[in-house]
Amino acid sequence: GAGVSQTPSNKVTEKGKYVELRCDPISGHTALYWYRQSLGQGPEFLIYFQGTGAADDSGLPNDRFFAVRPEGSVSTLKIQRTERGDSAVYLCASSLRLAGGYNEQFFGPGTRLTVL
Amino acid sequence: AQSVTQLDSQVPVFEEAPVELRCNYSSSVSVYLFWYVQYPNQGLQLLLKYLSGSTLVKGINGFEAEFNKSQTSFHLRKPSVHISDTAEYFCAVVRMNRDDKIIFGKGTRLHILP
Repeated sequence: GAGVSQTPSNKVTEKGKYVELRCDPISGHTALYWYRQSLGQGPEFLIYFQGTGAADDSGLPNDRFFAVRPEGSVSTLKIQRTERGDSAVYLCASSLRLAGGYNEQFFGPGTRLTVL
Repeated sequence: AQSVTQLDSQVPVFEEAPVELRCNYSSSVSVYLFWYVQYPNQGLQLLLKYLSGSTLVKGINGFEAEFNKSQTSFHLRKPSVHISDTAEYFCAVVRMNRDDKIIFGKGTRLHILP
């Protein structure tokens, strides 16, 4: 079946602009995660949704970053007043959250954001 | 809090030679352990995972890793590498019995020499 998809694959914007990054999880997956991977680093957690609500947003770096998942499926990561330091690959992952145990997170290909 | 340390940022190795990529972790609670691989211009793939049971786990493409609780290590090994193994490898942990964030190391770039 289809995996996690992310659009756009590449986004170039100017400093100060607003951007939206979209994630389509695997159908039926109730948990959705956003990570950010800066150059030469491992992915860093941003936010986790269970259904429509943000279960953990402790990784969002500041109030310029916001994410929504209004219908419990597609999610949008929104970045206001972009800064050059926001340049990174933004990864989305989803999992089928079954009770107990471990639920594998499946990653999308990422959106490469470049802020000029 | 959890943290993951990958001491080697790059590891060069000749084709068909063995390789070990080192990973140490720190956590006050029990964790699951993972290795992910990221091939050039591709997304993250799960290589292998340790959840419980046997401390030696086998993954895809001939890789294996051994969980050592006393040394808080989860080193990745392959007895004979191929040029197609050129990639970035990430060690990672997740708190046990929690569906939450993956904590990744900074990655080790495996460079296969012909």
